[in-house]
Order: sequence, then structure tokens, then C-alpha cells
Amino acid sequence: DGGITQSPKYLFRKEGQNVTLSCEQNLNHDAMYWYRQDPGQGLRLIYYSQIVNDFQKGDIAEGYSVSREKKESFPLTVTSAQKNPTAFYLCASSSSPTGWAYNEQFFGPGTRLTVL
Amino acid sequence: QKEVEQDPGPLSVPEGAIVSLNCTYSNSAFQYFMWYRQYSRKGPELLMYTYSSGNKEDGRFTAQVDKSSKYISLFIRDSQPSDSATYLCASQGAQKLVFGQGTRLTINP
Repeated sequence: DGGITQSPKYLFRKEGQNVTLSCEQNLNHDAMYWYRQDPGQGLRLIYYSQIVNDFQKGDIAEGYSVSREKKESFPLTVTSAQKNPTAFYLCASSSSPTGWAYNEQFFGPGTRLTVL
Repeated sequence: QKEVEQDPGPLSVPEGAIVSLNCTYSNSAFQYFMWYRQYSRKGPELLMYTYSSGNKEDGRFTAQVDKSSKYISLFIRDSQPSDSATYLCASQGAQKLVFGQGTRLTINP
């Protein structure tokens, strides 16, 4: 069964703690993405990676970090520097990097992070 | 100004109604336009995409793009309660997708 898995589904964090969200895909896709979704704001791009060992900042990268050591894995760390981390986090992948040619992005089920 | 604007609703209609969902965009370089459907607490799934201007139909769903006015539309015919979800429009630029805010739609039996 090919797809994208995210874990955990729900995550609670105390203020000042770093937490890491997992994203794994078995679609053999080169590119992976992290988005944040807040009510009424759609999806905003945090980081993306076009290839292993390479990643770029998206529109709202401050307070987040990522790594891409394996093709199938793209974990996101929400650091204590992120001022308002409570949100729904979505991971996505595409077979090749999004450029000017169409390339469908497939989404995982999401992780809901709540800061207590 | 956001690159893609979408009325967040919420929108509530009776079963069987025709639903019209709309977005506007500002970047003339956008060539591909997508509609995603997202059920509560789930990831978005692609409904359909269109290239440049024109219509595309898939069953009860029709996507329409008018590049001259930078307007994106999704029409749902014979709406069903199972269509209740948040609908996200998106445009593809270089390196990334740009999403609208999403419209929450409820179809009442």
C-alpha cells in the first residue's frame, strides 16, 4: 500500500520544548514538503526538499528545522523559537520537484500539535 | 495581497443544489490550477487540476479557469452530504504550490 504516513496523529508539547514530527513515504518520490494549516489561512509552506541531503526554506521557516538523510523520510522539528506552534501540520511528496510543469503533490494524514 | 484568495465561507446548501466555489489569483505566470478536497482532520486529496484557461469535467465536478480575469471556479452538481468538506484551490508557481484559504462546505440532507 503506497502512501505517506505521519506520526503521531496528535502531539502535545509544553512551552519551551522541541518536538519532532515524523513523515515517511514509500512512493519513491524525490521531493517532500511540510505545510502548516491554521483555521482560515489555508496551507503555508514551511520547508521543502527536492533531493536527499538538500532542503530549502519555505514562506514560514522561522522556528522550524528539517533534515533529509533518506529519500523516504523528512522529519520536521518544531523548536522552542516558534512563537505560536499550535496548528495542523501536513507533509506532502511529489515524484519530482515542483517546477513549471505540473507535478501532483500527495498529502499525508497530518499531525495536530497543541502547545499546553 | 495574497497570491491566491478564496472566500473561507462557511457555505451551507441543501442536498441536490449546485455549488459554486471561487478563487482569484494575482500571478500571471501561474499555469496550473488545482482543487483539493479535505475532510475534517484529514490530509487534502486532489480533486482535479486544469492547465491554463478552460473547463474540465469529472463526473459531478467541473473546474473552470479564466486567465483573463484570473478567476478559478469549481462547480458541484447534484451535491451530496458526502461532499461536505473544506475545498482548497491552489495554483502552481515555480518550486511551490500556493493555496487559497479554503472554503468549508456543508451539504444538508
